[in-house]
Amino acid sequence: KAGVTQTPRYLIKTRGQQVTLSCSPISGHRSVSWYQQTPGQGLQFLFEYFSETQRNKGNFPGRFSGRQFSNSRSEMNVSTLELGDSALYLCASSLSSPPTDTQYFGPGTRLTVL
Amino acid sequence: GESVGLHLPTLSVQEGDNSIINCAYSNSASDYFIWYKQESGKGPQFIIDIRSNMDKRQGQRVTVLLNKTVKHLSLQIAATQPGDSAVYFCAEAPPNDYKLSFGAGTTVTVRA
Repeated sequence: KAGVTQTPRYLIKTRGQQVTLSCSPISGHRSVSWYQQTPGQGLQFLFEYFSETQRNKGNFPGRFSGRQFSNSRSEMNVSTLELGDSALYLCASSLSSPPTDTQYFGPGTRLTVL
Repeated sequence: GESVGLHLPTLSVQEGDNSIINCAYSNSASDYFIWYKQESGKGPQFIIDIRSNMDKRQGQRVTVLLNKTVKHLSLQIAATQPGDSAVYFCAEAPPNDYKLSFGAGTTVTVRA
């Protein structure tokens, strides 16, 4: 069974631009979560989606948004990029109820904001 | 706010020795805990989990211990191998929250 895939793997943007990251969960998984990983703040929860509904959201500004499609694929969008948004963005999928349903992480998208 | 943290940012271990990685958590409502391993260039990989109604759980070469009295979690790796070199994160979750709060991570380096 294929793992969680994220595209693109690397991205370079400039301040003020917006970016969309994509995540394809493991087949059959209906929950998708997003995390931001930085050296200073570590891994921080962004949001979680299940059946196209956001069930939880972390403490990030409104510039960070996401959505989930009927096939469980998910996208996250960051608008008006800031230098501090440079990070590894990780997507994780699970059957239905993370984290007690094991979350499987993708390799991440490395975003660099110049 | 409440957070999960690891006691040591780095740990150097001789190959074949046992490793112990520690973590302190502060959210008394958390009832589920997980250890993840992250290798360079990869996403975190599930190692082992434990619920708050247990104090010990064993896997293959790994054991997780939970001490709710002092809010402490540890991961023991038996006979550490070069492939165990990675960053290890503990994470906690309160019930029905659908999210994990991660600690800062401990970088484990295995010496040959």
